[in-house]
Amino acid sequence: DMKVTQMPRYLIKRMGENVLLECGQDMSHETMYWYRQDPGLGLQLIYISYDVDSNSEGDIPKGYRVSRKKREHFSLILDSAKTNQTSVYFCASSPIVQDTQYFGPGTRLLVL
Amino acid sequence: QQKVQQSPESLIVPEGAMTSLNCTFSDSASQYFAWYRQHSGKAPKALMSIFSNGEKEEGRFTIHLNKASLHFSLHIRDSQPSDSALYLCAVRTGGLSGKLTFGEGTQVTVIS
Repeated sequence: DMKVTQMPRYLIKRMGENVLLECGQDMSHETMYWYRQDPGLGLQLIYISYDVDSNSEGDIPKGYRVSRKKREHFSLILDSAKTNQTSVYFCASSPIVQDTQYFGPGTRLLVL
Repeated sequence: QQKVQQSPESLIVPEGAMTSLNCTFSDSASQYFAWYRQHSGKAPKALMSIFSNGEKEEGRFTIHLNKASLHFSLHIRDSQPSDSALYLCAVRTGGLSGKLTFGEGTQVTVIS
């Protein structure tokens, strides 16, 4: 059964703290994505990773960075979190770059 | 930059009726069109996709695409309470970037 996992599922941080969101997939998918979802804005692409150490900015990369050292694992890092980064973050993966995307369950991040 | 817009924002439909959702896009070079469904508190899940003009039917779901009008739609026949969810349309422009642009979503509620 194809699966994308995200950890943690819920996180509360204070402004200025560093945040690490983790994503894993067990399908050997080449491409992985990080999105954020805010009410009325749909899903906004933060970063896309085409494979290990091959990452590209999405539409809203400012304030975020990513790391992909293994094909099955993709991390999203917020250095010095801001209150406007409060959101639900979704990770997704696809077999190849133009294929259907499979989403993880999401991480709810609250930055106080 | 690709702009994707959905209408209506929300919809209440009686059980057994037809649900019709609309999506417009701005880039005439777009090549891939998809609908995702997201139940409350869950991950978005791919529902249907289409590449070329016309119609595609899968069970109770039909997708129509008219590239000249920059418009595609999703129709759900015999709507069920389990169809209550946020529906997101997504468009991919041509090329190898793999980036999907999502609409803001239409919240559908099917009442018994």
